[in-house]
Amino acid sequence: GEDVEQSLFLSVREGDSSVINCTYTDSSSTYLYWYKQEPGAGLQLLTYIFSNMDMKQDQRLTVLLNKKDKHLSLRIADTQTGDSAIYFCAEKALERSQGNLIFGKGTKLSVKP
Amino acid sequence: DTGVSQDPRHKITKRGQNVTFRCDPISEHNRLYWYRQTLGQGPEFLTYFQNEAQLEKSRLLSDRFSAERPKGSFSTLEIQRTEQGDSAMYLCASSVSPGTPSGGALYEQYFGPGTRLTVT
Repeated sequence: GEDVEQSLFLSVREGDSSVINCTYTDSSSTYLYWYKQEPGAGLQLLTYIFSNMDMKQDQRLTVLLNKKDKHLSLRIADTQTGDSAIYFCAEKALERSQGNLIFGKGTKLSVKP
Repeated sequence: DTGVSQDPRHKITKRGQNVTFRCDPISEHNRLYWYRQTLGQGPEFLTYFQNEAQLEKSRLLSDRFSAERPKGSFSTLEIQRTEQGDSAMYLCASSVSPGTPSGGALYEQYFGPGTRLTVT
């Protein structure tokens, strides 16, 4: 079946690194995405990785992929209060329908000053 | 580039009424998606269009829901005879289809701000 799971909450202090984890079940080649949602707003695409990659870095964001364990993580370096939001992991399996992304339930990141 | 826009941002309606939402995608995007998001959940796919053709509908899209994209630009989502269980955020997203000259091999979907529906 298709499923994306995330831990629901993460609390860090300003300036620390945050690591948000995600597991997925679809074994077909896939794209994996991280979205950020602030209160009352839509989803902002942060970064993505294809399943034949191990790592991708984009400024303060580092995505690590363990394809064997189907585990994805998003590391935010030097976390700021403005990073407080809900972070969604989403996957797109190329063998599945063309349309939809499958989202996790989201991880609420709280950054304490 | 103004991004994906949705109208209205909030809608309160009484049970049994019909409601219609509008989505304007990013102008060069030929794919448009509708998702529903309830409290504490991630977005769930409802349907998507490529140009004016509706290519897929999820089982969440009951007979009371209908979506259109008549000219391949903006889209509308109508809910007839609303029920309290329809209360949710309705999100629209757009993308280019793979292989188009502007890229889009990565299925990146860009979301609008959503329409929050409350059915009383």
